[in-house]
Amino acid sequence: DTAVSQTPKYLVTQMGNDKSIKCEQNLGHDTMYWYKQDSKKFLKIMFSYNNKELIINETVPNRFSPKSPDKAHLNLHINSLELGDSAVYFCASSTWESSGANVLTFGAGSRLTVL
Amino acid sequence: QQQVKQSPQSLIVQKGGISIINCAYENTAFDYFPWYQQFPGKGPALLIAIRPDVSEKKEGRFTISFNKSAKQFSLHIMDSQPGDSATYFCAASIGGGFKTIFGAGTRLFVKA
Repeated sequence: DTAVSQTPKYLVTQMGNDKSIKCEQNLGHDTMYWYKQDSKKFLKIMFSYNNKELIINETVPNRFSPKSPDKAHLNLHINSLELGDSAVYFCASSTWESSGANVLTFGAGSRLTVL
Repeated sequence: QQQVKQSPQSLIVQKGGISIINCAYENTAFDYFPWYQQFPGKGPALLIAIRPDVSEKKEGRFTISFNKSAKQFSLHIMDSQPGDSATYFCAASIGGGFKTIFGAGTRLFVKA
């Protein structure tokens, strides 16, 4: 059973197009995230939802719009794609562990290539 | 603004050797410091974590050393194995909370 699953795994598209990436988690976690990993492997948080409420919204262009229909799903829609949007997008979920920390569980990533 | 600085960017170690990855942070409000391991084509996965009230935490071959006064922490991988070849990320958060800040990552290659 995949804990955090993302689709599609690969996405190749032209500049200016609109695309979506879907994420689902079956861990029962309350919080979900989108992270962007660039070509240098740098991981940067984009958005976070807790129980369907947006709690983190980093300085991301408004062409990126997350949507959480329920706490098990978090989708990412990107409008007017640009070359610089090419990256691997990771969905993650988290819950508070007994250690008192919020531990992230990541999906396998969705590699977006904009031509 | 990079709040968690990680070095080296890449590391090659012989099988059986010790791999050491260092991180430094700026924000003294950080109080939870996890390390994540990422294999090619996979998402990062939690490896080990520490809070600043202890100076060292060991889990198997993996040890975190923490120096609160220097605002530095490091990952030591003892008896490194080819299967340890991966990218390692240090990270930090406040209150173990929702916003985890990652270092730039270290690509480790363990030669057989």
